Amino acid sequence: EAGVVQSPRYKIIEKKQPVAFWCNPISGHNTLYWYLQNLGQGPELLIRYENEEAVDDSQLPKDRFSAERLKGVDSTLKIQPAELGDSAVYLCASSPGQDSSTDTQYFGPGTRLTVL
Amino acid sequence: AQSVTQLDSHVSVSEGTPVLLRCNYSSSYSPSLFWYVQHPNKGLQLLLKYTSAATLVKGINGFEAEFKKSETSFHLTKPSAHMSDAAEYFCVVSRWGSASKIIFGSGTRLSIRP
Repeated sequence: EAGVVQSPRYKIIEKKQPVAFWCNPISGHNTLYWYLQNLGQGPELLIRYENEEAVDDSQLPKDRFSAERLKGVDSTLKIQPAELGDSAVYLCASSPGQDSSTDTQYFGPGTRLTVL
Repeated sequence: AQSVTQLDSHVSVSEGTPVLLRCNYSSSYSPSLFWYVQHPNKGLQLLLKYTSAATLVKGINGFEAEFKKSETSFHLTKPSAHMSDAAEYFCVVSRWGSASKIIFGSGTRLSIRP
């Protein structure tokens, strides 16, 4: 079974430039998560989708961050414009969605963003 | 409100000795609790989870954790450390619903001495 796929694995951009990350969850998983992980810290949830619906985006900085999950499968996370403080690893995870409170999440390898 | 505290940022043990990684949580409701492991350059992987069934939970690779409501703890243990256990470990508390939350601890780095 293929795992969660993320691309690119690494991205280096200059501040004020836009950037986008892509995630393909495990086939059949209804719930998709985007996390931000700063160095030496635990992941922080940015947004959670159940199918196409963003059911929790309370931690997403909406002035510069946006996300979409068209057709309830793949998802894209965008930052525009990027700031120096956005340098971090962006993780995508998916879960079956039968019971999100107890579901196991399956994580992708992450995208490491460096903003210069 | 929910929170999770991993009491040690770094734990170092000798190979073959017991491992104890400590986690305390705070939750207004009955939480679900998880331990995830992150090996270098690999994705986070579930070790084990507590979801209101048995309080002693067994996971992969010989790890187990005990949910102690009176102590609000969910410590991770392993009787005998192996070199391959060297990684970052995260304790996670979650609760979904009208006020859904999932919170990761800050992590504990486990080092294994030969």
